[in-house]
Amino acid sequence: KQEVTQIPAALSVPEGENLVLNCSFTDSAIYNLQWFRQDPGKGLTSLLLIQSSQREQTSGRLNASLDKSSGRSTLYIAASQPGDSATYLCAVSPFSYNTDKLIFGTGTRLQVFP
Amino acid sequence: DGGITQSPKYLFRKEGQNVTLSCEQNLNHDAMYWYRQDPGQGLRLIYYSQIVNDFQKGDIAEGYSVSREKKESFPLTVTSAQKNPTAFYLCASSIGLGPSETQYFGPGTRLLVL
Repeated sequence: KQEVTQIPAALSVPEGENLVLNCSFTDSAIYNLQWFRQDPGKGLTSLLLIQSSQREQTSGRLNASLDKSSGRSTLYIAASQPGDSATYLCAVSPFSYNTDKLIFGTGTRLQVFP
Repeated sequence: DGGITQSPKYLFRKEGQNVTLSCEQNLNHDAMYWYRQDPGQGLRLIYYSQIVNDFQKGDIAEGYSVSREKKESFPLTVTSAQKNPTAFYLCASSIGLGPSETQYFGPGTRLLVL
């Protein structure tokens, strides 16, 4: 059974720091991996989607990498800002399920203070 | 503006009562989904629909029911059989089913039991 784990569960950093969020998954047979952002009491916003054949994706200050063989992905946030404060979730689309399903991690709650 | 709307934002359920959560999208998406989010846990799939008049159970469908009579609408009913309904419910949609399709999320409904 595919399991997705995110470490750390919470992170607090000063503004301007570069930081890395980690996501690990137990079964490397995936179509893709996505990173989402969730603000308190709100829905999810898709940040980056990495296909299984890709190694990384970039959007602005965000860079996500995927190492499928080791079951790991990282989300790198450069020059963090208070507006980056949110919960970040990763999700995989596994072969073992119908292609429409996503398996979510429990998230990393990030706080960036001025 | 295109998007997904969910109502109400907060919903209170009495013991033994059925309640219905609304989800509407004007993105012309074929696929729609319902997720449940509990504190400290990732999102879990309740039901999904790939086309009008068709829907499939997700991982935690017991105690829930759905309908898909219109492309734009995918209401979720939390029945009295659901013994622990307190959670944050998220609706999502995508252009179609498939591992490359990004899911777009609504703002969520928080269900509380009186």
